[in-house]
Amino acid sequence: DAGVIQSPRHEVTEMGQEVTLRCKPISGHNSLFWYRQTMMRGLELLIYFNNNVPIDDSGMPEDRFSAKMPNASFSTLKIQPSEPRDSAVYFCASRQGSFTEAFFGQGTRLTVV
Amino acid sequence: GENVEQHPSTLSVQEGDSAVIKCTYSDSASNYFPWYKQELGKRPQLIIDIRSNVGEKKDQRIAVTLNKTAKHFSLHITETQPEDSAVYFCAASDETSGSRLTFGEGTQLTVNP
Repeated sequence: DAGVIQSPRHEVTEMGQEVTLRCKPISGHNSLFWYRQTMMRGLELLIYFNNNVPIDDSGMPEDRFSAKMPNASFSTLKIQPSEPRDSAVYFCASRQGSFTEAFFGQGTRLTVV
Repeated sequence: GENVEQHPSTLSVQEGDSAVIKCTYSDSASNYFPWYKQELGKRPQLIIDIRSNVGEKKDQRIAVTLNKTAKHFSLHITETQPEDSAVYFCAASDETSGSRLTFGEGTQLTVNP
């Protein structure tokens, strides 16, 4: 397996634009996580899914952020409209079952100017 | 929800010395405690984990200890090497009611040759 695949790797956009980040989890994994990493706040959990169902989205900063998982092999994180403070590295991770390793994608570095 | 605090935020040691990173968690139901290592510009990767029914676990130069009563767990690295330099994250999760992996804010470890 190629691991967790995220796209794009880098995204530069202007304030106010819509941004969509994509994630393909490892085949067979039933949990998927979206994290945001900044220098100040470490790895911040935004939302996670079990079996494609959103379980906890309490970490989503505000209504500008939304996430979907239409099937077991694809998830998106959308920011609309984007703001400069959204600049960060966004990681997607997946795991199978409990007490198991979460595998991270390579991340998307988002810069909003 | 779970809150994980991690200390110190930065740690500098001489090659060959030991390094200790400490974390506390708030949810007494948490029963899984992994540690991840993130090298510069790369994704976080699991290095060791421990379940709540175990007090200590070792893997070569790294070990993790857990004190459930105090809700405290620690990572110990002995005989540190320059390649141990990275950001280390602790995490906690209640695996019996979902897979919400909550991370601490990270510790930047620098091993000086």
